[in-house]
Amino acid sequence: AQSVTQPDIHITVSEGASLELRCNYSYGATPYLFWYVQSPGQGLQLLLKYFSGDTLVQGIKGFEAEFKRSQSSFNLRKPSVHWSDAAEYFCAVGLNTNAGKSTFGDGTTLTVKP
Amino acid sequence: DTAVSQTPKYLVTQMGNDKSIKCEQNLGHDTMYWYKQDSKKFLKIMFSYNNKELIINETVPNRFSPKSPDKAHLNLHINSLELGDSAVYFCASSLMRTEQFFGPGTRLTVL
Repeated sequence: AQSVTQPDIHITVSEGASLELRCNYSYGATPYLFWYVQSPGQGLQLLLKYFSGDTLVQGIKGFEAEFKRSQSSFNLRKPSVHWSDAAEYFCAVGLNTNAGKSTFGDGTTLTVKP
Repeated sequence: DTAVSQTPKYLVTQMGNDKSIKCEQNLGHDTMYWYKQDSKKFLKIMFSYNNKELIINETVPNRFSPKSPDKAHLNLHINSLELGDSAVYFCASSLMRTEQFFGPGTRLTVL
């Protein structure tokens, strides 16, 4: 069964600093990979996705993620964090052969210091 | 223009009651889901329907029963509510098993 690990429960960065959120997955083949963001009191919103092709994917709000097959990782990055980026971030693994079931990581809470 | 909507947004009820949460999507998607998010923000899939057919049924008490009257709607009925059912319940939808679009959530509080 596929699994997703987000090693960092909570990350604090200063506004304007760079950000990297880690995500590792476990699956025998190349899965579909997603990053979602959840602002307080809101539902989840898709930031970006990887299905195939270029391993560096661009998303909304200035985020990007890089798929590294050798490390089974799909880390999320942003060069300069804004205060409005404070939220919960979820990495997810999906399988085209498993009726669309996505497995979500436990999430990383991002706090942005002024 | 709401893509995935849920009603109600908040639900406060007594233990032992029966309640329903409704979900509708206007995206033309063929798959819908119910998730439970607990107080630690962990997200667990409960059910999924594809073209009105139940395709994912995780280990969930049988007090929870989903119903999909058509592709655009997926409702969740909960019998005999327990304290542990308190959580935020999210509906989501997708097309062809790709990325999911989430509703705003229903915060259920069982007293």
